Amino acid sequence: ETGVTQSPTHLIKTRGQQVTLRCSSQSGHNTVSWYQQALGQGPQFIFQYYREEENGRGNFPPRFSGLQFPNYSSELNVNALELDDSALYLCASSPGGGVRNTQYFGPGTRLTVL
Amino acid sequence: AQSVTQPDIHITVSEGASLELRCNYSYGATPYLFWYVQSPGQGLQLLLKYFSGDTLVQGIKGFEAEFKRSQSSFNLRKPSVHWSDAAEYFCAVGAIVRYNNNDMRFGAGTRLTVKP
Repeated sequence: ETGVTQSPTHLIKTRGQQVTLRCSSQSGHNTVSWYQQALGQGPQFIFQYYREEENGRGNFPPRFSGLQFPNYSSELNVNALELDDSALYLCASSPGGGVRNTQYFGPGTRLTVL
Repeated sequence: AQSVTQPDIHITVSEGASLELRCNYSYGATPYLFWYVQSPGQGLQLLLKYFSGDTLVQGIKGFEAEFKRSQSSFNLRKPSVHWSDAAEYFCAVGAIVRYNNNDMRFGAGTRLTVKP
């Protein structure tokens, strides 16, 4: 059974650019959640996708957007990058969107914005 | 909205000693509580979770946690710490915002150092 994978591992961008991060969910999982983890902080919920639809969103501006594909993999897109967007971005997949479903996390993508 | 406080930023214990990591939550209804561990360069791994029932829950790697509603706490314990337990530990509370939505709020984490 393949776990949650994320690409790329590391990424460096400059302010104002756009970035796309990718996540492959675990086999059998139809839900992907994205989190931002700033240095020294806990993960913050960005949004969740359930069966290709956005199913909940945290306190993040619209320049953070996402997609989920028919195979349940997902992308996180961030436009107009700001310095504060520098963080570890984690995705987690689960077999359903409800809180009772255990989330399995990927290793993350480290984004640095210069 | 729910929130989590982990009062200890950093804890150091000797190998073989007992461990308790504190977690306090704020949520108006019955909370769904979790403890995750994050090793350097890794994602988060679920240690244990509490939804209902027995307030003492057992997890992986010898960890346990006790839910105390009166104290709004969900402290993580281990009777004997191993050097491999050195990591960052996160407490989280989940809420059902609407059907099939998982809104998880994490604490800021406690970094555990284990002395030989």
